[in-house]
Amino acid sequence: QQQAKQSPQSLIVQKGGISIINCAYENTAFDYFPWYQQFPGKGPALLIAIRPDVSEKKEGRFTISFNKSAKQFSLHIMDSQPGDSATYFCAASVLRPTMYSGGGADGLTFGKGTHLIIQP
Amino acid sequence: SQTIHQWPATLVQPVGSPLSLECTVEGTSNPNLYWYRQAAGRGLQLLFYSVGIGQISSEVPQNLSASRPQDRQFILSSKKLLLSDSGFYLCAWSAWGGGNTEAFFGQGTRLTVV
Repeated sequence: QQQAKQSPQSLIVQKGGISIINCAYENTAFDYFPWYQQFPGKGPALLIAIRPDVSEKKEGRFTISFNKSAKQFSLHIMDSQPGDSATYFCAASVLRPTMYSGGGADGLTFGKGTHLIIQP
Repeated sequence: SQTIHQWPATLVQPVGSPLSLECTVEGTSNPNLYWYRQAAGRGLQLLFYSVGIGQISSEVPQNLSASRPQDRQFILSSKKLLLSDSGFYLCAWSAWGGGNTEAFFGQGTRLTVV
């Protein structure tokens, strides 16, 4: 199963700082790149997503930066708050999954997650 | 609105005992359904997915099985649990048809095999 390679595995940021999580992928067929946020004891939930026709997408304090040539994308959390402390997963999927895509019916594959702690 | 229910929230089972985790989705028809396992530091491992009643695809061969007896019901089972089956199990659904769709996750079941 092709995966998205996520880094760092854990991250500690001071309140008010910028949190940056990176993700790299190999399959050039990927064309949808979401980030999921997971709080302890809960299931992940979609935070923000981007398609490769744009290089950046911003929603409030959360921004995805996308570099198609480098096959990388990153999540930036501006003015990080203690409530942002969670595990973040990058993911990637294809529009038309095949039996070789991996990731189930949607061809969605996840990174291994980043445990983010925002210190007050 | 669509909702996903997963139970139980926590479960402690002895080695060798059977397992049945149930997941139901409301407010949508013909969803894609998924079972994931999450182990510490290992991310989300896709175990099974289903695109329709009775249609199950396995991503990782192991001591578990899945069934979809109804359109919006997905069950994860085991005949004999192993210690290595401990983990956080997540059910998820997405809208039928194509990729690039949001996956909606349940609250998860924390399984501890002792």
